[in-house]
Amino acid sequence: QKEVEQDPGPLSVPEGAIVSLNCTYSNSAFQYFMWYRQYSRKGPELLMYTYSSGNKEDGRFTAQVDKSSKYISLFIRDSQPSDSATYLCAMTPNNNDMRFGAGTRLTVKP
Amino acid sequence: EPEVTQTPSHQVTQMGQEVILRCVPISNHLYFYWYRQILGQKVEFLVSFYNNEISEKSEIFDDQFSVERPDGSNFTLKIRSTKLEDSAMYFCAGRQGINYGYTFGSGTRLTVV
Repeated sequence: QKEVEQDPGPLSVPEGAIVSLNCTYSNSAFQYFMWYRQYSRKGPELLMYTYSSGNKEDGRFTAQVDKSSKYISLFIRDSQPSDSATYLCAMTPNNNDMRFGAGTRLTVKP
Repeated sequence: EPEVTQTPSHQVTQMGQEVILRCVPISNHLYFYWYRQILGQKVEFLVSFYNNEISEKSEIFDDQFSVERPDGSNFTLKIRSTKLEDSAMYFCAGRQGINYGYTFGSGTRLTVV
């Protein structure tokens, strides 16, 4: 089993839809969880940063961590065409070396 | 908003040559990292750097790789003798402290021919 699993998509939704992105992981030592957005040929841009289990909301974005299931989610409400990008989950046991998922390519159609 | 700056944006080099990739971190960042992303693959951790020394490195970061922060400003990644499989995007990242997220640069695309 891969350490971090993320469905690469592609995922296509109409503008205004709620988007759900997910990752599963196998290493129970992971404590810090992040979501990044990456546009083509650019560096990852931090969207959400959470520690341990729970929910965190920031504008249209909500991150959820369920450590008991080793499952994390990112929800995007009222999705916009500008949200079209690749979304990467990342996690680390020691808040140092991050392990990334493969990334999910999202397209929001006007 | 402060940015992590990486130069050059694209470097082409011949196999066996040495390359130095440069990064200017955000001034109040204390922790620094190099990651790489081979085309179509995951972003992979290479090395972390804190207090002027390597704090952690991955299996990828072998004797051909080294990092330096020579003047307290620039943060460099050197590859001594490049191989074809070193072709990738190399990202520099930094953060203020252990409870902060990472800020990535836009990357250097390294092509080894």
